[in-house]
Amino acid sequence: NAGVTQTPKFRVLKTGQSMTLLCAQDMNHEYMYWYRQDPGMGLRLIHYSVGEGTTAKGEVPDGYNVSRLKKQNFLLGLESAAPSQTSVYFCASSYPSGPAETQYFGPGTRLLVL
Amino acid sequence: AQKVTQAQTEISVVEKEDVTLDCVYETRDTTYYLFWYKQPPSGELVFLIRRNSFDEQNEISGRYSWNFQKSTSSFNFTITASQVVDSAVYFCALKVGAWRGGNKLVFGAGTILRVKS
Repeated sequence: NAGVTQTPKFRVLKTGQSMTLLCAQDMNHEYMYWYRQDPGMGLRLIHYSVGEGTTAKGEVPDGYNVSRLKKQNFLLGLESAAPSQTSVYFCASSYPSGPAETQYFGPGTRLLVL
Repeated sequence: AQKVTQAQTEISVVEKEDVTLDCVYETRDTTYYLFWYKQPPSGELVFLIRRNSFDEQNEISGRYSWNFQKSTSSFNFTITASQVVDSAVYFCALKVGAWRGGNKLVFGAGTILRVKS
């Protein structure tokens, strides 16, 4: 049981390049989330999904797109990377167990945009 | 709007000292959940505890204890007899409202804890 995994662990992009971050979970969780972590700001929600084929915007969605074609995978895309998107990206997943739903996080992807 | 404030940016202690990490939250909802996560130097976020707004009992788990006080909107975390392995960034987070799909966590900025040997 690997839990939540993220690929890649680290990436350097040039401004304007595109890339996709992959999140995979093997816990059969319905809900999946993408966050970004910036110094002094905690984690902020980018997009989330409450089930296969569904996605929704979070707090800071601009510049990102997501897809949830399979229940176990949640992809985060950057179409045209900008230096402001330099950050650590975390994926999380949870099971709809009711109000006490707890999110479990992946190890993070460190992205540097030059 | 919901907000979580962790006023302590960084705390340094010597091993075996007790240390308390503060967390103050803001919400108008009567139903909410509070969480603590640990982020060790390796970078992953580790879930530590969840409390709901209807249960103000303090909780102890080994060297960890949590003090939830609705009167002051605080959910503080104490580590007793700190160890070097406790060095990490600790995040407090809030989730509000009745259960529905995709309830969002609001995180505090985090507190860096450094435990020196």
